[in-house]
Amino acid sequence: GAGVSQTPSNKVTEKGKYVELRCDPISGHTALYWYRQSLGQGPEFLIYFQGTGAADDSGLPNDRFFAVRPEGSVSTLKIQRTERGDSAVYLCASSLSREEKLFFGSGTQLSVL
Amino acid sequence: GESVGLHLPTLSVQEGDNSIINCAYSNSASDYFIWYKQESGKGPQFIIDIRSNMDKRQGQRVTVLLNKTVKHLSLQIAATQPGDSAVYFCAGHGQNFVFGPGTRLSVLP
Repeated sequence: GAGVSQTPSNKVTEKGKYVELRCDPISGHTALYWYRQSLGQGPEFLIYFQGTGAADDSGLPNDRFFAVRPEGSVSTLKIQRTERGDSAVYLCASSLSREEKLFFGSGTQLSVL
Repeated sequence: GESVGLHLPTLSVQEGDNSIINCAYSNSASDYFIWYKQESGKGPQFIIDIRSNMDKRQGQRVTVLLNKTVKHLSLQIAATQPGDSAVYFCAGHGQNFVFGPGTRLSVLP
């Protein structure tokens, strides 16, 4: 498709479980970002990829969170030992380069019960 | 640390009136700013952007003003329509894009 695609759109899991969230960016966009958005808040930066490498992971809250982008296109955000506080909308965005406008997907609503 | 904030969490305007949404930022090194619109259940949608070498930029029915002296930017929407009802975020780019908490715009009939 023409836009950023995120799957699943909704994910319900139990506390302590492992989840993977997928992002398919716009073709040709080398920069990819993950953000987390809690209800009533603005998106909070998690990690930025330039190509295959994580250029800035300073926003990841702890070592339970990890993201990969092995071929410089699709990215997966992985959360281990989920906690109820991880419940939020996880947004992915891509751009042509770091200082270009971000195009966002519709997000994955993660609910940890 | 770097922060971006909005002056008002909610704004109600009459249909047809102009809307002004304000934003303040703290990082003087921010050189690029974007306004996004977010509707319920959707991701943020790009509206308009401005780089720090400009102080005004116009789009279709929207204008962004940047005042670097006081670290303030605003989004003006002309002839506000019901479809403009959404949450609006400003984002500033320093090292990464930092988003403010958002302003919910409600358009009254």
